[in-house]
Amino acid sequence: DSGVVQSPRHIIKEKGGRSVLTCIPISGHSNVVWYQQTLGKELKFLIQHYEKVERDKGFLPSRFSVQQFDDYHSEMNMSALELEDSAMYFCASSLANSDYTFGSGTRLLVI
Amino acid sequence: QQQVRQSPQSLTVWEGETAILNCSYEDSTFDYFPWYHQFPGESPALLIAIRPVSNKKEDGRFTIFFNKREKKFSLHIADSQPGDSATYFCAASEAGNTGKLIFGLGTTLQVQP
Repeated sequence: DSGVVQSPRHIIKEKGGRSVLTCIPISGHSNVVWYQQTLGKELKFLIQHYEKVERDKGFLPSRFSVQQFDDYHSEMNMSALELEDSAMYFCASSLANSDYTFGSGTRLLVI
Repeated sequence: QQQVRQSPQSLTVWEGETAILNCSYEDSTFDYFPWYHQFPGESPALLIAIRPVSNKKEDGRFTIFFNKREKKFSLHIADSQPGDSATYFCAASEAGNTGKLIFGLGTTLQVQP
């Protein structure tokens, strides 16, 4: 069990650019959620998938889309990046409706 | 409007003391209340969680006290150690969905040796 794996760890993009963040959940975990953390503090719920179906959406900008694949890994496609998108992006996974384990996160810097 | 309020924003205690971190919430439909801690440069990690069927849950030095009537819950860290120094987040979610967590803004705990 290697935990929740996120890639890349760090990424720098120019304003207006695009980026893809990847999340590999713990083996067997079909629930994947994404959170954004800004300034090392506030954690905002972005979106949740369960069994490849979107279950709930929170603060996910319309410029971003998230998809969960057959093997339950998840990808966040980010476009038209803005300076305010600079943040840590965490995904987390769980079995059914149990406790979630967070990945190590991706630090996105938009310049 | 912050649905989950956390206090204090920062807290300093001496090694061996009990640190008390507080949270309150607005939504009566919340029924899962976890505490996460986060060390600098790391991801949040689940520490302990409670559901309203209980008013207290213990795990070693960590205890959650829950007051459903007042919509408040607190984390008590007994015998605080310097290694407990971190940011602590309380959170809440609705029944049937532990993934959609509403987090508080965090309490930065410093334990002085």
